[in-house]
Amino acid sequence: QKEVEQDPGPLSVPEGAIVSLNCTYSNSAFQYFMWYRQYSRKGPELLMYTYSSGNKEDGRFTAQVDKSSKYISLFIRDSQPSDSATYLCAMASSGNTGKLIFGQGTTLQVKP
Amino acid sequence: DVKVTQSSRYLVKRTGEKVFLECVQDMDHENMFWYRQDPGLGLRLIYFSYDVKMKEKGDIPEGYSVSREKKERFSLILESASTNQTSMYLCASTPAGTGYEQYFGPGTRLTVT
Repeated sequence: QKEVEQDPGPLSVPEGAIVSLNCTYSNSAFQYFMWYRQYSRKGPELLMYTYSSGNKEDGRFTAQVDKSSKYISLFIRDSQPSDSATYLCAMASSGNTGKLIFGQGTTLQVKP
Repeated sequence: DVKVTQSSRYLVKRTGEKVFLECVQDMDHENMFWYRQDPGLGLRLIYFSYDVKMKEKGDIPEGYSVSREKKERFSLILESASTNQTSMYLCASTPAGTGYEQYFGPGTRLTVT
């Protein structure tokens, strides 16, 4: 069993839809939870990070962490074609924040 | 803006060749990382370095080695390339203490024939 599981999709939605991306994990030592976005032929870039549990909002993006269920989510409101990309969740424990464990990535396409 | 550059975007090598992938960052970051990215497997850590001349194995170090002679440069070496090393290779860097925010280069698509 992988430490971090993410449905690879692809996920296709119409412009303006609410998108929900999810990851599950098995390692209870994870304290840092990140979402990276990767456009085609580019390297990933950090979108959001959350420490421990709770919600974090940044514009149209909301990250949620439920440590009791070992489940994290990224919500995108009013999705735009420019949101079309691969979204990777990543996690790290407190003692080793440099060593990230990534999910497989979910490919999202937002159709105009 | 942090910039991480990789020496090649596309590379084609033959089985058995020694391959060097170079990564340079311009923000004086202490930590540097090498990953490979494969469909269905995501990013997997090959090696990382917390300081000049220091290196640590990641999750899949077999068949690879690294070199960090200068703080800004981190090289990945495939001693004898094999077809199962065909992949996208990504380099990343981050300042000490903020390992969760990694800055990635554009990647090198390596094909071994």
